Amino acid sequence: AQKITQTQPGMFVQEKEAVTLDCTYDTSDQSYGLFWYKQPSSGEMIFLIYQGSYDEQNATEGRYSLNFQKARKSANLVISASQLGDSAMYFCAPNDYKLSFGAGTTVTVRA
Amino acid sequence: IAGITQAPTSQILAAGRRMTLRCTQDMRHNAMYWYRQDLGLGLRLIHYSNTAGTTGKGEVPDGYSVSRANTDDFPLTLASAVPSQTSVYFCASSGGENTEAFFGQGTRLTVV
Repeated sequence: AQKITQTQPGMFVQEKEAVTLDCTYDTSDQSYGLFWYKQPSSGEMIFLIYQGSYDEQNATEGRYSLNFQKARKSANLVISASQLGDSAMYFCAPNDYKLSFGAGTTVTVRA
Repeated sequence: IAGITQAPTSQILAAGRRMTLRCTQDMRHNAMYWYRQDLGLGLRLIHYSNTAGTTGKGEVPDGYSVSRANTDDFPLTLASAVPSQTSVYFCASSGGENTEAFFGQGTRLTVV
């Protein structure tokens, strides 16, 4: 079965530093994509960024970027210049027909 | 305002009762999903629908049923609620595989 894996249950990062969150997708498909979402303590799910397997460049959206390694089928999220408001749970999900999410990583930004 | 709406926002339900959680979207998205999220944990897929008239089972379908009579609505029914179904339920919709999903605000359900 295809499976999405996030290996880091929780991470701490100092304000203004960068943090990298892991996400790996176990799939036999050559064409796939990975979404990242943020869930702050208020509970809403916020779409952050998307990477397709055939995209030439790593996806970037403001302070969010993806370190895409096609051979490993991973798209790690990099949050640069962390802010207190980045404290949240972060989920990745593949763009398959079931949209199943990884277990998530809790990020806590320290002042 | 276009979006996805869930109702109710919260509910306390006696065990054994039947309950339907409502989800409506006005974005004409083909795909819709139901998830449950237990405290401090991730989202687990209950059921999904890739287009009106079709549904599929997710990771944790037991005790839940869904229907997709039209594009806009995707209700989730608990036929006989049990305390282990206490959770926050999220509905989501998506316009296609390469487009992001939009989420409802969630329904907090407590079964006592």
